[in-house]
Amino acid sequence: QQQVKQSPQSLIVQKGGISIINCAYENTAFDYFPWYQQFPGKGPALLIAIRPDVSEKKEGRFTISFNKSAKQFSLHIMDSQPGDSATYFCAATPYSGGGADGLTFGKGTHLIIQP
Amino acid sequence: EAQVTQNPRYLITVTGKKLTVTCSQNMNHEYMSWYRQDPGLGLRQIYYSMNVEVTDKGDVPEGYKVSRKEKRNFPLILESPSPNQTSLYFCASSSRLAGGRVGELFFGEGSRLTVL
Repeated sequence: QQQVKQSPQSLIVQKGGISIINCAYENTAFDYFPWYQQFPGKGPALLIAIRPDVSEKKEGRFTISFNKSAKQFSLHIMDSQPGDSATYFCAATPYSGGGADGLTFGKGTHLIIQP
Repeated sequence: EAQVTQNPRYLITVTGKKLTVTCSQNMNHEYMSWYRQDPGLGLRQIYYSMNVEVTDKGDVPEGYKVSRKEKRNFPLILESPSPNQTSLYFCASSSRLAGGRVGELFFGEGSRLTVL
């Protein structure tokens, strides 16, 4: 079964610090890597995504770093704020959907930013 | 407003009593999917649908049924609920991109189900 392994399961960071969440995958056919953010009581929502033709993508305080040879990608949250406290899911999918949707989620990271 | 609407948001039921969780989207998306979220297990896909009358099993389909008779609706049916189906359920929809890839997923706000 295709897998995306996400770590850590939970993370506590002080306000202003850098939050780092890591994901690793096995299927070399994966070529699209989105991150979803979920606030308590809400459904997940797309935060940022990357294709493997670039090693980094930045949107505001959020950056995805991608290492194709190691089959790893990570989310960095710079200057972390209490409002960033949420559960974060990494995901991966191959380009061709074929007969299956191919979207695989990590198990999530519960991030708490302490004031 | 573009949205995915699930009902009910909260439900407590008893073992064996059939129930349906409805899901409706107003974005004309071809793709719809159901997930369950459990602590430590993340999001696990139950069933998905690539288009009307086309459904397929996800990773944890046992004990669930779905139908896709209309593009906007994708109900989740628990014919005989059991306590191990106590969970938080999410419906999601997406457009399909070139090559068949599923695009950005839009999730509903979730349905918390308790089976006693």
